Amino acid sequence: DAGVTQSPTHLIKTRGQHVTLRCSPISGHKSVSWYQQVLGQGPQFIFQYYEKEERGRGNFPDRFSARQFPNYSSELNVNALLLGDSALYLCASSLFLLNYGYTFGSGTRLTVV
Amino acid sequence: AQRVTQPEKLLSVFKGAPVELKCNYSYSGSPELFWYVQYSRQRLQLLLRHISRESIKGFTADLNKGETSFHLKKPFAQEEDSAMYYCALTLTQGGSEKLVFGKGTKLTVNP
Repeated sequence: DAGVTQSPTHLIKTRGQHVTLRCSPISGHKSVSWYQQVLGQGPQFIFQYYEKEERGRGNFPDRFSARQFPNYSSELNVNALLLGDSALYLCASSLFLLNYGYTFGSGTRLTVV
Repeated sequence: AQRVTQPEKLLSVFKGAPVELKCNYSYSGSPELFWYVQYSRQRLQLLLRHISRESIKGFTADLNKGETSFHLKKPFAQEEDSAMYYCALTLTQGGSEKLVFGKGTKLTVNP
C-alpha cells in the first residue's frame, strides 16, 4: 500500500497567486483531513471531508477551500496567497469519519514570496 | 477553549537516562489524547493513544484527569528516540473530528 501521497512535495508561489495541493488517501479510507503546519508550531486543522462532503472546517479564511472526489482523493485550494500562507500542508486519511487512526502524508511545502 | 500545551520546546538527555515529555490539556469533557512523533525527514506518525494503554518503543503515557496531563515517559532513552514529539487531543463537533496539536517538543538523545 502506497500510504497517503501528496503532490507536489515543494512549490514556490508569488503573493496573490492561487495554488492547488493534492492528496490521495490510503486505499479504502473515506475521510481526508487537511492541516497547516507553520514553522515552529504544531499542525492546525483546516478541513475534514468524508464521502465527498465537508464535515468540518477550521478557523481559516474563505481563501481556503477544498473538495473530495468520488475516488476519495482531495484537493486543497488557496486563493490570493499571502506571505503568511507559507507552511507545510499535511493531508491525513482515516477509514471512517469518527476514527482514531489517522495516517499522515509527507506534506507539501509551500513557500510564498 | 480546547488547548494542548507542551511547555518544553527543546529537551536534551543522555542515552540511558529517563525522559519525560510534558503535555497539559484544556478540554471540557472526556478527552481522547495521543502522542505523535516525527523523526528526521519522515512523516508524522502516531506513537500511542491513551485509550489503548499501550507501550510503544518503550514509551508510555498516563492520562491524569486531575492534573489534566498526559506526559510521555521512557525509562531509558535511546539515540533513535531523537525526534519531534507532538501531543494532541481529538475534538469532536457536529459530526466532524479534528486533532488539536501542541507546539511540539524536540527531543535530542545524546550518546
